Amino acid sequence: AQSVTQLGSHVSVSEGALVLLRCNYSSSVPPYLFWYVQYPNQGLQLLLKYTSAATLVKGINGFEAEFKKSETSFHLTKPSAHMSDAAEYFCAVTEDYNQGGKLIFGQGTELSVKP
Amino acid sequence: EAQVTQNPRYLITVTGKKLTVTCSQNMNHEYMSWYRQDPGLGLRQIYYSMNVEVTDKGDVPEGYKVSRKEKRNFPLILESPSPNQTSLYFCASRRQGENYGYTFGSGTRLTVV
Repeated sequence: AQSVTQLGSHVSVSEGALVLLRCNYSSSVPPYLFWYVQYPNQGLQLLLKYTSAATLVKGINGFEAEFKKSETSFHLTKPSAHMSDAAEYFCAVTEDYNQGGKLIFGQGTELSVKP
Repeated sequence: EAQVTQNPRYLITVTGKKLTVTCSQNMNHEYMSWYRQDPGLGLRQIYYSMNVEVTDKGDVPEGYKVSRKEKRNFPLILESPSPNQTSLYFCASRRQGENYGYTFGSGTRLTVV
């Protein structure tokens, strides 16, 4: 069965510091992987997705993630945090993207950015 | 503007009173889905639809119904709401094909007392 584990429900960084949000997945077949961001009182916005092409995926707002099959990881990074990055981030996986495409979400990581 | 529209945004209701949360998308997407978000649990799929008149259960379908009579609409029906259905609900849609991501609505915060 698919599952997603996000390490750390809260992460705090200083403005300008590296952002690293961890995501590990469990999947019996090559997965599709996603990162979504949720700003307060808003829906989820797609940051980036991995669909078996390049292992280093670049997304919006300067974020990127690297698919590492050997580590079953898909960590999200951004070189320099901005105050506007404060939000909740969700990692998600699916195996059957063309059979309904159910996304299995991690528990979420709330990112705080200190001035 | 391409979007998924949910209504209402906020709803407080009493146990047992039937309610419907509407969801509409203007992107001609084939796939639509409902999720609920609860603290510490992330989002879990309730129901999904791959096209008109094609719906199936997700991971937590108990107590919910859906219908897909038109491509653009995918309402979520709670026939007899209970307090454990107090949650934040999201509707999402996407185009068929592996290169497309889901577009989410802004959410409906439901409280059942």
